[in-house]
Amino acid sequence: GNSVTQMEGPVTLSEEAFLTINCTYTATGYPSLFWYVQYPGEGLQLLLKATKADDKGSNKGFEATYRKETTSFHLEKGSVQVSDSAVYFCALRGDDKIIFGKGTRLHILP
Amino acid sequence: EAGVTQFPSHSVIEKGQTVTLRCDPISGHDNLYWYRRVMGKEIKFLLHFVKESKQDESGMPNNRFLAERTGGTYSTLKVQPAELEDSGVYFCASSQGGGYGYTFGSGTRLTVV
Repeated sequence: GNSVTQMEGPVTLSEEAFLTINCTYTATGYPSLFWYVQYPGEGLQLLLKATKADDKGSNKGFEATYRKETTSFHLEKGSVQVSDSAVYFCALRGDDKIIFGKGTRLHILP
Repeated sequence: EAGVTQFPSHSVIEKGQTVTLRCDPISGHDNLYWYRRVMGKEIKFLLHFVKESKQDESGMPNNRFLAERTGGTYSTLKVQPAELEDSGVYFCASSQGGGYGYTFGSGTRLTVV
């Protein structure tokens, strides 16, 4: 069945550091891929998405590229800010429901 | 437009009690989904409504959970009787369907003590 595996957290970085959160998936067919973010005290928000191979999703300085050959959708940001501290979820959409990874908690230190 | 609204935002109940969570989807969204995240684990699908009908309830953990969607508008998720392992955050999402994205609510944090 469909599944998503993302790196375990928590991840702690200093402000302005480079961020990578790894995500790989297993799926039949050609799922859409997503990154969701949950800021402290808030709900789930869609951060970015990609719907087909080689698509790059981007938002708020974050990027992720749909890599079919490696079944990956790694999240990257060149320079993180304290306000990026949150829990990040990699997800795929298949069979009309979303399958999430376990989430990665990110702490950014000033 | 108003987003997906869930209430209560937090609920603390004793084991064996009953709790009802409510979700108001975005107006006009036929598709409504329930998910939950148990502490430290992934967010898992519970069920999917299309209007008032249950399209897929394969994720419902057991018969202590009952979901309804009256008239295809708001939905309730009742847990009766609640157990300790039911603690977690319950998310609701709605969608127009047909490839449109989901919009999630802020979630209800349920703590069973």
